[in-house]
Amino acid sequence: DQQVKQNSPSLSVQEGRISILNCDYTNSMFDYFLWYKKYPAEGPTFLISISSIKDKNEDGRFTVFLNKSAKHLSLHIVPSQPGDSAVYFCAASVMNSGGYQKVTFGIGTKLQVIP
Amino acid sequence: ETGVTQSPTHLIKTRGQQVTLRCSSQSGHNTVSWYQQALGQGPQFIFQYYREEENGRGNFPPRFSGLQFPNYSSELNVNALELDDSALYLCASSATSPSYEQYFGPGTRLTVT
Repeated sequence: DQQVKQNSPSLSVQEGRISILNCDYTNSMFDYFLWYKKYPAEGPTFLISISSIKDKNEDGRFTVFLNKSAKHLSLHIVPSQPGDSAVYFCAASVMNSGGYQKVTFGIGTKLQVIP
Repeated sequence: ETGVTQSPTHLIKTRGQQVTLRCSSQSGHNTVSWYQQALGQGPQFIFQYYREEENGRGNFPPRFSGLQFPNYSSELNVNALELDDSALYLCASSATSPSYEQYFGPGTRLTVT
């Protein structure tokens, strides 16, 4: 039961253009959505988050959009830079009965930004 | 401020053996979560420790167990290793629980032969 889905395993974009990474989810109880970036031989690094009560959050070159009715979120990177080449994980969080936030990850999308 | 560290970096074990992985949380963080990332998959939640108590667990069998120490460092123990346990094991710390903001270590690559 994959509650967070990233259907594109890879994406190639020219430097300077927009990168759009997509994510779908099935659990309507998720209250926060997050994007993590992962370089080889490193752990995932938190990039940006959005609360389920918002539809957009922006941080510099990174913007996350949330469409609750479609259970869909996307990460926009503008402009894309070669250093953005990494695996991007979409994740979603829900408060569990034990009083902790359980975070569920997608399988990741590998972004390659071509100079 | 030191980040999350994990040891060892790599480990090779034989099926049926037991393994212990270690994690030091980021300074000031009292919550540690462990994840298993199999090849081509996203991290999967194993369990979380908050102030030395397990307060959440994912869909993993009891042979996956853990500990958190008074300094908030943590161990993940896996008994009776199976080939499918081969994966990258990630530790993440948070300033408190509940919190979705986690800081990950570089992981321990476990290979079971």
